[in-house]
Amino acid sequence: AQSVTQPDIHITVSEGASLELRCNYSYGATPYLFWYVQSPGQGLQLLLKYFSGDTLVQGIKGFEAEFKRSQSSFNLRKPSVHWSDAAEYFCAVAGRNGGSQGNLIFGKGTKLSVKP
Amino acid sequence: DSGVTQTPKHLITATGQRVTLRCSPRSGDLSVYWYQQSLDQGLQFLIHYYNGEERAKGNILERFSAQQFPDLHSELNLSSLELGDSALYFCASSVALGQGMRTDTQYFGPGTRLTVL
Repeated sequence: AQSVTQPDIHITVSEGASLELRCNYSYGATPYLFWYVQSPGQGLQLLLKYFSGDTLVQGIKGFEAEFKRSQSSFNLRKPSVHWSDAAEYFCAVAGRNGGSQGNLIFGKGTKLSVKP
Repeated sequence: DSGVTQTPKHLITATGQRVTLRCSPRSGDLSVYWYQQSLDQGLQFLIHYYNGEERAKGNILERFSAQQFPDLHSELNLSSLELGDSALYFCASSVALGQGMRTDTQYFGPGTRLTVL
């Protein structure tokens, strides 16, 4: 079955420290990969996406993610976390061929807390 | 601001009632997706419409239905509401996603928080 696993439910980092959020997926073929962020009481904002090409993708707010096919992973990273990064982060996958495969399958999310 | 609008922002109703959630996609987007976010189930895909036609169904209950109108806005109808239907309902839109076309990025609205008492 298609699924996305985010092993860390809650992570706390100090402001200025580096961050890595893990994401593993199970899918029949290489899917499209996304990271979304949800601030409290807000909708989902797209951080970055991987469709093809360079496996290291850059996103907004200084985030990047690396696709590793051999590990079925798409981990999100940021070199220096800001207090405003505190939010919940969702990894998602979708099939490449649209139609019935185009919907997003989400992980359970990782809640990020930032210590001053 | 993603350009996707949803109304109302909050909805409080009683068990057994029926409600309608509305979504307006980004200008030019033909596809609309509905998702439900709940504490126990997380974010789950409900249904997808493309240019007025239903394209895919996910974990959508029979008590729920949706449609997309000629002006491309969409409505999600929830009937015979139960306590467990309390959740955040998101709509997302993408440029063009018909059968056989490539998947595209989905942009999410702010959501409608439904509380069933």
